[in-house]
Amino acid sequence: QKEVEQDPGPLSVPEGAIVSLNCTYSNSAFQYFMWYRQYSRKGPELLMYTYSSGNKEDGRFTAQVDKSSKYISLFIRDSQPSDSATYLCAMSEIRGGYNKLIFGAGTRLAVHP
Amino acid sequence: DAGVTQSPTHLIKTRGQHVTLRCSPISGHKSVSWYQQVLGQGPQFIFQYYEKEERGRGNFPDRFSARQFPNYSSELNVNALLLGDSALYLCASSLVAGANQPQHFGDGTRLSIL
Repeated sequence: QKEVEQDPGPLSVPEGAIVSLNCTYSNSAFQYFMWYRQYSRKGPELLMYTYSSGNKEDGRFTAQVDKSSKYISLFIRDSQPSDSATYLCAMSEIRGGYNKLIFGAGTRLAVHP
Repeated sequence: DAGVTQSPTHLIKTRGQHVTLRCSPISGHKSVSWYQQVLGQGPQFIFQYYEKEERGRGNFPDRFSARQFPNYSSELNVNALLLGDSALYLCASSLVAGANQPQHFGDGTRLSIL
């Protein structure tokens, strides 16, 4: 079993739809959660990060963390064609003086006009 | 402000050769991490460097090595290249190592092994 599970999609939605992207994880030691957006032939771009359970909102994006269920979500409101990309969830693991990010496989999202 | 910069953007090598990839972190960031991203997968952690020292290493063979310079830039070296080393190599920078904080990525070096 992978430490972080993410449905690879692809997910296709019409412009203006609400998009829900999800990840589950197995390691209860994860305390810091991130969402990255990656366009084709580009590096991951940090969208949001959060420590705690609950919701964090930034414009059209809302990140949600449920530590009791080991489940995180990213919601995109009023989706636009420019949101078409691969979305990666990531968890930070601290080990003896360093920290590494553990990623899901990424979900491909296509928003069509 | 400049983000994380990586060079070259694309590289083609043959099996058995050696490659050096370069990374400059965001100004003020002292930690650099390297990741390998194979097509269709999320990035996998290779190394984290801080203050010129290796602080952590992922599950990669000794053919992979790196170093960090006094200006906090970094190089990733891969020896005896294999076909399976074909991937996007990503560099990420952060303020320090060993703490929960954002890591910011460059656009990577796409390495193709023939």
